[in-house]
Formats: sequence, C-alpha cells, structure tokens
Amino acid sequence: DGGITQSPKYLFRKEGQNVTLSCEQNLNHDAMYWYRQDPGQGLRLIYYSQIVNDFQKGDIAEGYSVSREKKESFPLTVTSAQKNPTAFYLCATMGRGRGPFFGQGTRLTVV
Amino acid sequence: GESVGLHLPTLSVQEGDNSIINCAYSNSASDYFIWYKQESGKGPQFIIDIRSNMDKRQGQRVTVLLNKTVKHLSLQIAATQPGDSAVYFCAEARGGGSYIPTFGRGTSLIVHP
Repeated sequence: DGGITQSPKYLFRKEGQNVTLSCEQNLNHDAMYWYRQDPGQGLRLIYYSQIVNDFQKGDIAEGYSVSREKKESFPLTVTSAQKNPTAFYLCATMGRGRGPFFGQGTRLTVV
Repeated sequence: GESVGLHLPTLSVQEGDNSIINCAYSNSASDYFIWYKQESGKGPQFIIDIRSNMDKRQGQRVTVLLNKTVKHLSLQIAATQPGDSAVYFCAEARGGGSYIPTFGRGTSLIVHP
C-alpha cells in the first residue's frame, strides 16, 4: 500500500546483532501491526499497537521489541535473543474499521 | 483453537476462465472478512472486504461471497488474467476491543495463457 513504507527492503544481520526495521505510515491510522511470514506459512503476529505509546505482544513476541512514540511510526527491533530471525517481515495498519493494509515488507537474512 | 483455512493449496486455470478460491472459518463471532493477493516478494494487497451483515460484495472483476451458515467465504475472479497469478488468502476479524485479524495460509492461483 502506497501509504505504508517499510525500509529497508533487504536486511542482513550478523549473529548476536540487533537490527531495527522501519515502518512509517501517512494514512492517519491508529492501529499498527508487525507480522512475520515464513515460506508456506500464514502470517504470525509479533506485536501490535492500537494507539500511541501503547503496544501489546502478539503470538510470537519473544526476541522482538517495538516502540510507538509517534502515530506515524512503529519500528520493530529484532534482538539477538531471536534465534531464528530469517523471515519476511510485514508491517500493517488498520483504520476506520477497514484493513489491515500492508507495506511491501522487509526480508531479513542472518549471515 | 479457532483458525482460518483454505480448501485448496493450488488452483490452476486457463486465461479467461473464472476462478473461485474458497476459505473456511471457524470463529462464529467473526464479523469482518478480507481477501488479499500476494505476489512473490511483495506485501499482501488488500482486494476486497465484507462484513457479516452482507452475503455478497462486488469489486472490479472480483466478488466475495459470505455464507455464515456454513462459515464459508469465497473469492470469485472473473475473466482471470495471467497477472492474477499470485497467492490469495483470506482473513477474519472480530470487532470490539482489540481488532486482531487471523490469516489463512493461502491458495496459489496459477493462470495459464
């Protein structure tokens, strides 16, 4: 969706390194989500935020952290505690009762 | 637990045919349903949505049908084109409080020229 920007498109992480994935939106949506997608599997919820300065753990939050200091931004940090971080990460927003709408994703690879 | 699933993992059709992709859901409390198209290496694209107070909704070349009696959702694509080749998946959500959608794993649609 043109209103949701994820960066970078590709990211490489070394063992033991923390990395941060960016998600910015200009849709004025209150809710933002982070999902992880692995080959052949459905989307799994990592974290979500319904409002600024508040966020909740999803089904697979271990090894990840987030912040929501601004309505437009919901960055995801993949910490060294996440033992299998290689995946496709998707940010999404939801507003006015519709969605979610997704960004174009960040593919994270451990090297 | 309750989940959203798809009946067929792969659907092959000829260009110009109509395609029907099916989805079963088990949470009777779900009141909002969405279909997505995902091309390789890209984020899911919102196609069409429907609320539980409707049983049919049409978009451009797509129609979503909702049968609440048997908890079934379908996506119909008219005059399928090679550009429609992608993975399609459905999602369900329940309004009120935290609005957390649940996603199915997807059906791969292959359109042969």
